[in-house]
Amino acid sequence: DTAVSQTPKYLVTQMGNDKSIKCEQNLGHDTMYWYKQDSKKFLKIMFSYNNKELIINETVPNRFSPKSPDKAHLNLHINSLELGDSAVYFCASSQGGLSPGYTFGSGTRLTVV
Amino acid sequence: AQSVTQLGSHVSVSEGALVLLRCNYSSSVPPYLFWYVQYPNQGLQLLLKYTSAATLVKGINGFEAEFKKSETSFHLTKPSAHMSDAAEYFCAVSDYGGATNKLIFGTGTLLAVQP
Repeated sequence: DTAVSQTPKYLVTQMGNDKSIKCEQNLGHDTMYWYKQDSKKFLKIMFSYNNKELIINETVPNRFSPKSPDKAHLNLHINSLELGDSAVYFCASSQGGLSPGYTFGSGTRLTVV
Repeated sequence: AQSVTQLGSHVSVSEGALVLLRCNYSSSVPPYLFWYVQYPNQGLQLLLKYTSAATLVKGINGFEAEFKKSETSFHLTKPSAHMSDAAEYFCAVSDYGGATNKLIFGTGTLLAVQP
């Protein structure tokens, strides 16, 4: 069983479209994240949810809206896609307890044309 | 605020040579530090992590890192490089258990291994 799974793996779409990326984790973690990796491989956090509650929103445009229906799912909806949104988006989750751990999904490569 | 700086965006070594990837951190709270590896067109895989226990941390694939508070460093090493080690390596810091639990990444170091 995949610990953190994202769908789709690849997404090619035209400018102006609306698209969603889904993420699910089966690790029982309380916190989930979305990261964006740009063309220079730089990884930047976008959002974080803890038990369905938004705790981090890193000055991401309002066109990006995360939704967490339960603590095992964190979806990312993007409105009015722009060329600059092309990137790889990673979902991750983290565990509680004494030893920190972050588990990443395999990524969704979004290409806006 | 927390941050990490990775010195050298590209490192090239010969197969069998020592690998040394440099990472310096900045943190106002005791940091948790991580090294991740990303192979081409793949996700992020955890190599090792420092969680305030032993300062010398051993990870997968023969990698290890040493936490040096006096130097605010967490450099990654491997005694003998293999061709399969060619990948992008990311150092990261977290305020785990703090206000946000977020993981902050460095800009990455691309390791090339020459035959």
